[in-house]
Amino acid sequence: GEQVEQRPPHLSVREGDSAFITCTYTDPNSYYFFWYKQEPGASLQLLMKVFSSTEINEGQGFTVLLNKKDKRLSLNLTAAHPGDSAAYFCAVRHGTGGYKVVFGSGTRLLVSP
Amino acid sequence: NAGVIQTPRHKVTGKGQEATLWCEPISGHSAVFWYRQTIVQGLEFLTYFRNQAPIDDSGMPKERFSAQMPNQSHSTLKIQSTQPQDSAVYLCASSSGLGGRYAEQFFGPGTRLTVL
Repeated sequence: GEQVEQRPPHLSVREGDSAFITCTYTDPNSYYFFWYKQEPGASLQLLMKVFSSTEINEGQGFTVLLNKKDKRLSLNLTAAHPGDSAAYFCAVRHGTGGYKVVFGSGTRLLVSP
Repeated sequence: NAGVIQTPRHKVTGKGQEATLWCEPISGHSAVFWYRQTIVQGLEFLTYFRNQAPIDDSGMPKERFSAQMPNQSHSTLKIQSTQPQDSAVYLCASSSGLGGRYAEQFFGPGTRLTVL
């Protein structure tokens, strides 16, 4: 089955720096990709979703990159601020079959002032 | 829209007791998912329902764990004879049918289960 590896498990940056998180997946038929944010004590909130025909997506303060050739999904938080401190999870869904998603193991990000 | 509701938020059981966790999906959502979250294992898929029918329970431990969705407004996850290793946060998520597999999941706040 699909395997998703997420790195790094912990990341500490200063306010204003970039924070880069990467997920690699194994199944070439994975087609839908999601990034979730989980603040301390809270549940997961969708940050962004991308699918196979989209390579770069930009949101407020972050960019998502999808490299289909390398089977790599990345999240780059540009100019991070303390409010970005949270756990971030990537999730991968197959293009056919069921609706199950496979999550990465998460990255705990700490942004210090 | 109240979002996905999970009750109780915290549950403490003694080893060997039964625990029942409740989830109320967002109204109108056709899919309900259950996950278990621990520091060591991360987010583990347990099972999911679509239009109340069980579709994939490949993540459920074969013994002691069961899930049901008797109607479109709630799902339950039952753990019989709880063990300390069952201690985790159990997350429920729901998803609408709109957008097919591109539809995101909306997560509840979770139930923190502690087995003493």
